[in-house]
Amino acid sequence: EIVLTQSPGTLSLSPGERATLSCRSSQNGNTRYLAWYQQKPGQAPRLLIYAASSRATGIPDRFSGSGSGTDFTLTISRLEPEDFAVYYCQQYGNSPPMYTFGQGTKLEIK
Amino acid sequence: QVQLQESGPGLVKPSGTLSLTCGVSGDSISSRYWWNWLRQPPGKGLEWIAEIHHSGSTGYNPSLKSRVTISADKSQNQFSLDLSSLTAADTAVYYCARGGGYDVLTGYSFDSWGQGTLVTVSS
Repeated sequence: EIVLTQSPGTLSLSPGERATLSCRSSQNGNTRYLAWYQQKPGQAPRLLIYAASSRATGIPDRFSGSGSGTDFTLTISRLEPEDFAVYYCQQYGNSPPMYTFGQGTKLEIK
Repeated sequence: QVQLQESGPGLVKPSGTLSLTCGVSGDSISSRYWWNWLRQPPGKGLEWIAEIHHSGSTGYNPSLKSRVTISADKSQNQFSLDLSSLTAADTAVYYCARGGGYDVLTGYSFDSWGQGTLVTVSS
């Protein structure tokens, strides 16, 4: 079963700064299986990135995803006030077939 | 624009069974997508529970499989979740979501979510 480890647990930055969030998988997987979500308090998660590097519909280009194998990164180039939220990575695994989420990174205003 | 809406009881008793339904609009559950249930305990992370495809194929989280049944009603364009032998650890916000697969642009991700429904397990 896949284990996803996100770091850091909390990231304190200011608007305009660059954010780099990490997601490490316990299994080397297909990049098609890796996604990133943003969740704000009281809201459902929102898909940001699918297949490791493809932006979902309507997602601003300041959000980008990269990585392969076991190490993946979500980068927010210049933070806007509305970007402060919790971010989750998610991966699909074949053995057993299931979806797994990381524990989340909280991006807070410094 | 696909929309999903969860419905079900907000309070259920320990050892009982939770039944939730997700109504879908803007897409057919007979499309190529997979239809999923996920949950999030208060203040914690996300957990995938189960998925169903219109072909009848299903998938379950191994840690919950013995207690979960997912089903679909094509005539009503909705799908449902039954979770039995409830304990306080099952208290969570339950989400339904549209997921993909190898033949979907967004691949193995969840591109549309319901707003979630809080279920509390308590006597």
